[in-house]
Amino acid sequence: ELKVEQNPLFLSMQEGKNYTIYCNYSTTSDRLYWYRQDPGKSLESLFVLLSNGAVKQEGRLMASLDTKARLSTLHITAAVHDLSATYFCAVDRGFGNEKLTFGTGTRLTIIP
Amino acid sequence: KAGVTQTPRYLIKTRGQQVTLSCSPISGHRSVSWYQQTPGQGLQFLFEYFSETQRNKGNFPGRFSGRQFSNSRSEMNVSTLELGDSALYLCASSLFRGTSPYEQYFGPGTRLTVT
Repeated sequence: ELKVEQNPLFLSMQEGKNYTIYCNYSTTSDRLYWYRQDPGKSLESLFVLLSNGAVKQEGRLMASLDTKARLSTLHITAAVHDLSATYFCAVDRGFGNEKLTFGTGTRLTIIP
Repeated sequence: KAGVTQTPRYLIKTRGQQVTLSCSPISGHRSVSWYQQTPGQGLQFLFEYFSETQRNKGNFPGRFSGRQFSNSRSEMNVSTLELGDSALYLCASSLFRGTSPYEQYFGPGTRLTVT
C-alpha cells in the first residue's frame, strides 16, 4: 500500500524566512504533485514533477523530486503572508492506477 | 475556460437518507475522480471514471457509488448516510495524455453535513 508522509504537520514562520516542507512516499511512483488549499476552499495545483531530479519554481516556491530517495521537497523562499495555506503532496502509481494518494498536509502560517 | 463545477455546494442531510452530488469537468476532460476530505482521515480517493467506465476504486463501502455520463459529467451517490459521511467531497477532472490521465484539476467541492 502506498503511503505518503509529510513533515512538518504545522509550520509557523516569520515573513522573510526560508523553510522546506518534506514529502516521503513508500513505493515507486511515477508522478508527484503539490497542491495548495486555503481554508474552506478547494485544491489548487502548484507543481507536477515527473522524473528524478525534476525541479520547478513559481515565485517564492520551488519543488524538487528525488525518486531514488522517494522524497520531494517544497522550498519556500522569503515567505510572505499570502503563502499562508495548507500544502499537500500527492503521488500516483502511473498508468492504470492514477488515483492520488495524499500526504497529511502541512499547515503553513506566515507571521508578519 | 470554465473550471470544474460541483453542485450543490452545501448540503445538510439526516442519517439514513441518501444524497447525490454532481460534477461537471473542464471541457475536453474525460477523466473524473472523486475524493473525500475529512479532518480525521484527510484526503481519500473514492473512484475514477473515464468514458463512462469506473477505472479505479478506493476503499469505501458499497454505499458509495458513482457514474459518468456520455458528456463526461459525473455523479456520486451515498446511500444510508452515516454521521461519519460528513465531509468535503471534491471532484477532479483531467485530460488523458497518451494512455494515462494527467494532472487533476479540482472543483470547489460539496460540503455535506449529516445530522
